[in-house]
Amino acid sequence: DADVTQTPRNRITKTGKRIMLECSQTKGHDRMYWYRQDPGLGLRLIYYSFDVKDINKGEISDGYSVSRQAQAKFSLSLESAIPNQTALYFCATSDSHSSYEQYFGPGTRLTVT
Amino acid sequence: AQSVAQPEDQVNVAEGNPLTVKCTYSVSGNPYLFWYVQYPNRGLQFLLKYITGDNLVKGSYGFEAEFNKSQTSFHLKKPSALVSDSALYFCAVRGRNSGNTPLVFGKGTRLSVIA
Repeated sequence: DADVTQTPRNRITKTGKRIMLECSQTKGHDRMYWYRQDPGLGLRLIYYSFDVKDINKGEISDGYSVSRQAQAKFSLSLESAIPNQTALYFCATSDSHSSYEQYFGPGTRLTVT
Repeated sequence: AQSVAQPEDQVNVAEGNPLTVKCTYSVSGNPYLFWYVQYPNRGLQFLLKYITGDNLVKGSYGFEAEFNKSQTSFHLKKPSALVSDSALYFCAVRGRNSGNTPLVFGKGTRLSVIA
């Protein structure tokens, strides 16, 4: 969905490095999410934010942090990357005034060597 | 707690045949239910949703899904499969009275349509 953009689209980094994944949206939605996708495990929620001053941990938040810089921007950081954080990362948005369907960005493929 | 089960990791169907991708859910109270599709190297795309009303919901690309409250199921169906339907399909749920909780996704079912 072009309304939700993620940068970078692909990233290879080394163990121990700090990395930031960025998400921007033009949908005007108040809610934003970060997921990771691993084969056979589906989508797992890392963090979510219901507005600029609201940050919540998901089921797998250890090793990650987030920042909601504005309603339209939500970034995910890996403070010290490790190989088992190699995955496909998705940002998503939703509107609290609608039926809660989420709209996804194109994903960031992260490889930690 | 909310949960979704997609019992089949892989579904194979011949082109032109009907297809079904299964989903069962568990929530407290009434659900909001969703189907998403993921094509290779793409993000998830919204297909359809059940909120209330008619149990048969029609969505994009000729897909439909039937909400069955007694069986707590929301199976995705299409009368005639196309090769281009080959993708990864995710079911998701949220309880209507679950407050500010995100959608819970199933593990996905890979659909392969064979020409």
